[in-house]
Amino acid sequence: GNSVTQMEGPVTLSEEAFLTINCTYTATGYPSLFWYVQYPGEGLQLLLKATKADDKGSNKGFEATYRKETTSFHLEKGSVQVSDSAVYFCALSDLEGGSEKLVFGKGMKLTVNP
Amino acid sequence: EAQVTQNPRYLITVTGKKLTVTCSQNMNHEYMSWYRQDPGLGLRQIYYSMNVEVTDKGDVPEGYKVSRKEKRNFPLILESPSPNQTSLYFCASSLRWTGVDGYTFGSGTRLTVV
Repeated sequence: GNSVTQMEGPVTLSEEAFLTINCTYTATGYPSLFWYVQYPGEGLQLLLKATKADDKGSNKGFEATYRKETTSFHLEKGSVQVSDSAVYFCALSDLEGGSEKLVFGKGMKLTVNP
Repeated sequence: EAQVTQNPRYLITVTGKKLTVTCSQNMNHEYMSWYRQDPGLGLRQIYYSMNVEVTDKGDVPEGYKVSRKEKRNFPLILESPSPNQTSLYFCASSLRWTGVDGYTFGSGTRLTVV
């Protein structure tokens, strides 16, 4: 079945450091890809998405490009802030017949220190 | 404000005592879903609903029931809770299931079964 594999943390960075969180996927067809962020004590929020190959999603300084050739959707940010401390989830839309859901990676906890 | 509202936020109960976690959305979304989040396992879908009176099992439906009598509400019912249902539960909704819109999540319900 469809699946998502992402970097396992936890990861600790200093403020203004560069961030990359790797995400690769296995899927039939052409799923849409998503990054969600979960701040402490809250639900998941959509950070960005891409719906077809070579699309770039971006939001709040974060970017990710849908790479069909490498089945990847890595999340990047050039300069992280303390407020980016959260858990990040990569996800894909499962389009297999009879399965209408988002499939999530296990999440990666990021802590940014001042 | 557009949102998904879950209640309660926290619940401690005893084995075998029936409980209901409510979920309501005010966005006129057709699609709703329940997930549970567990350490090391990520988010797993319990049940979903494509529209009123249409529900289907997700990946981990055992021990849970749902109903969708109205578009806005999608309660999760645990008829005889057991300790292995201790988890963080999220309700999510989407305008309709096309695979490209992603979800809006509620803030979560932390359930402890003793």
